[in-house]
Amino acid sequence: DADVTQTPRNRITKTGKRIMLECSQTKGHDRMYWYRQDPGLGLRLIYYSFDVKDINKGEISDGYSVSRQAQAKFSLSLESAIPNQTALYFCATSDYPDREGTGELFFGEGSRLTVL
Amino acid sequence: RKEVEQDPGPFNVPEGATVAFNCTYSNSASQSFFWYRQDCRKEPKLLMSVYSSGNEDGRFTAQLNRASQYISLLIRDSKLSDSATYLCVVNPSNFGNEKLTFGTGTRLTIIP
Repeated sequence: DADVTQTPRNRITKTGKRIMLECSQTKGHDRMYWYRQDPGLGLRLIYYSFDVKDINKGEISDGYSVSRQAQAKFSLSLESAIPNQTALYFCATSDYPDREGTGELFFGEGSRLTVL
Repeated sequence: RKEVEQDPGPFNVPEGATVAFNCTYSNSASQSFFWYRQDCRKEPKLLMSVYSSGNEDGRFTAQLNRASQYISLLIRDSKLSDSATYLCVVNPSNFGNEKLTFGTGTRLTIIP
């Protein structure tokens, strides 16, 4: 089983619908992230969380919200989906960076969202 | 100018050949650098970190040139399984991943 699990893996929805993407991890990491990936653009950070009481906006948080229900669970919500939120969404986790500053990101398998 | 720029490719390279590609970054204060590999429709996975002194992992060699602000990845004796998109990632900090900047990736196809 994957260490970082995302559900659903694929979703097609209509404009205005509420959508939740869920992420759970078994790596025991405190840090969790939501990214989106669009063709021709690099991965962009939506939200991140260092623990259940710490939620931070990333580069492109408008139109999104998150919930950190437990150390292992981090959900991303689109309250009213719009077509330009069609993208591939990745959840990721990391441990505290080591002295080299690597803090490797471990990604889930991705959730492909299409908003019609 | 983009913060992190990569040649999107595709690079079509025969099996067994050596291939190299670069990534340039604009923030001279960038602290740490990485190459991630992303297979088609899959998640990115860390390939290697890039250290100031350069580092090698098997057939893969990564180099950092701070003066010219680029990092490079060299793949020797390329295998079919090396076909993937290679993402350059730059971090302005040594203390977390919140400010990571991802390149758009260089697509590599190894031809039998």
